[in-house]
Order: sequence, then structure tokens, then C-alpha cells
Amino acid sequence: AQSVTQPDIHITVSEGASLELRCNYSYGATPYLFWYVQSPGQGLQLLLKYFSGDTLVQGIKGFEAEFKRSQSSFNLRKPSVHWSDAAEYFCAVAPSGGYNKLIFGAGTRLAVHP
Amino acid sequence: NAGVTQTPKFQVLKTGQSMTLQCAQDMNHNSMYWYRQDPGMGLRLIYYSASEGTTDKGEVPNGYNVSRLNKREFSLRLESAAPSQTSVYFCASSEGIYSSGRYEQYFGPGTRLTVT
Repeated sequence: AQSVTQPDIHITVSEGASLELRCNYSYGATPYLFWYVQSPGQGLQLLLKYFSGDTLVQGIKGFEAEFKRSQSSFNLRKPSVHWSDAAEYFCAVAPSGGYNKLIFGAGTRLAVHP
Repeated sequence: NAGVTQTPKFQVLKTGQSMTLQCAQDMNHNSMYWYRQDPGMGLRLIYYSASEGTTDKGEVPNGYNVSRLNKREFSLRLESAAPSQTSVYFCASSEGIYSSGRYEQYFGPGTRLTVT
């Protein structure tokens, strides 16, 4: 069965520090990969997505993610975190064939210290 | 454009009561989805509608029913609420569903439901 693992439930970083959120997936073929962000009390917003091609993808708000096929990973990075980045981040996969049904990881809650 | 809207924002029910969660989108999207979000479990798909007139079960459909009223609206009904249905419910829509995950899903702000 397809699954998504986000190993870190909570992460705390200082403002201005770099950030890496981990995501591993289990799937027979290369799926389509997504990162969403959820600010408190809000719905989910798409940060970036990977379908094919360049394995380093750029997203909104200064985020990027790198797809590593050999590690079945799609880690999210940001070189310098801002206080407004405090939120919950979800990695998701969709099968590369068939219906557009997203499978989400459990999420990583990011806290940013001033 | 309002995007995806959901009503109500909050609801408290007693066990056994029924209610309908409403969702509407103004993006002319073909596909719509209902998810529930529980702590430590991410979002799980309850039902989806690939296009107007069709609905299908997702990962956790038990205890729920849906109606795709028209292209804009997709409602979720709890016939007899149970405490296990306490959750945050999100509606989403996308332009299509058959293109293998290429279509971005847009999410509403959610409905926080408590069943006592």
C-alpha cells in the first residue's frame, strides 16, 4: 500500500536558521509529490509539486524540495526561516496513474523562535 | 473568486444527531473531495466526486454520505454522529481527476466538528 512518512512530528528552529523537513514515501513507481502548508485555523496551501524532470523544484515563499529516487524521499528546504513560516507542513503523494487521490503524511509542526 | 468555501466553520453535535457540511467552489472545477484531519494522521479521503453526477468512496467512508448537488456544490452528511467523527473536515476541488495527480487540489478553510 502507498504510504507517506514524515519522521519529525515537531521541529523548532530559530528565525534565520535553515530548515529541512523530511518526507519518505512508499510506492511501486515514482508518484507525483507535493508539499502543502497549513497555517493555524486555515486550509491547506500548495507550496510546490514534483511531476518529472529536474529533481530540485522551487516553490512559493522561498521553499524548495529535492526528489531523490534512490532514497524515496522528497525533503523540503528553506535557507532562512521567517517567523511567519510557523505552521504545519504536509507531504503528499498521488499515483502516477489513475485518479488524483492524494495520500498525506501525518504532518510536521514547525515552531520558529525569534 | 472566493475559491472553496465551507459552512459551518464550527459545529457541536450530540451523539446520534445528524448534520450536513456544505462545500462550494467557484473555480469551475470538475472534481471535488472531502477529507478529515485528525491529530497525527494527516488528512484522509472520505469521499470524492470525479465529475458532476458521480461520487466514490475514499479511504474512510463509513458513517458518511455525500451528494454532488451540481458542479459547484458537494455536501457531506453525517446521518448519526458518533464521537469518533470528531475531527476537522476539509473540502477540496481540482480541475480534473483523471490526469494522474497532475491537477492541484484547492482546499477550503475547514469545519471543526465536535461530537459529544
